Amino acid sequence: DQQVKQNSPSLSVQEGRISILNCDYTNSMFDYFLWYKKYPAEGPTFLISISSIKDKNEDGRFTVFLNKSAKHLSLHIVPSQPGDSAVYFCAAADFGNEKLTFGTGTRLTIIP
Amino acid sequence: DAGITQSPRYKITETGRQVTLMCHQTWSHSYMFWYRQDLGHGLRLIYYSAAADITDKGEVPDGYVVSRSKTENFPLTLESATRSQTSVYFCASSEAGRGTDTQYFGPGTRLTVL
Repeated sequence: DQQVKQNSPSLSVQEGRISILNCDYTNSMFDYFLWYKKYPAEGPTFLISISSIKDKNEDGRFTVFLNKSAKHLSLHIVPSQPGDSAVYFCAAADFGNEKLTFGTGTRLTIIP
Repeated sequence: DAGITQSPRYKITETGRQVTLMCHQTWSHSYMFWYRQDLGHGLRLIYYSAAADITDKGEVPDGYVVSRSKTENFPLTLESATRSQTSVYFCASSEAGRGTDTQYFGPGTRLTVL
């Protein structure tokens, strides 16, 4: 049972436009959400996170939005750059639990 | 070098053989994790460890064994490799074990079981 879902395996966006990556979750105990970015032949690296007490968190070109009632979060990248081409994993945790639950990933390709 | 390293980076083995994947971190992080990445499944937790000599199962532990005699090392052993264990394996560490703590990942080991 996939508790964290990324329904789009891939996404292509023109350079300079907005990239929107989506993530849905089913476990209402999750109260902290993270996005990791992964380049080929490298391990994932932390990108941005959001607590369930917020509905938005911003870090430079990256913004994560959380809609708790819909159990949905999204990552916005504005403007998209070629270096943003990577696989993006959504992850979720409940406070006090050591484990992260990851989604299946979305491959983002930025077209120059 | 500081950070988290994995060895080997690539490994080909045969069904039934024992394989050990190594993970080493220099931060003295308490927690360490092993994940496998498979198409359509994302990253799935195999085992994790809260400290030396403390380990616990994750989502997909069957067929794997871990040990942690030293804080900095967390080897993963496939006692009798099967084709279904062909995957990319990532080790990660975090300072404390809360899900809110950033996990730092190694570069991965690509394992092929023939």
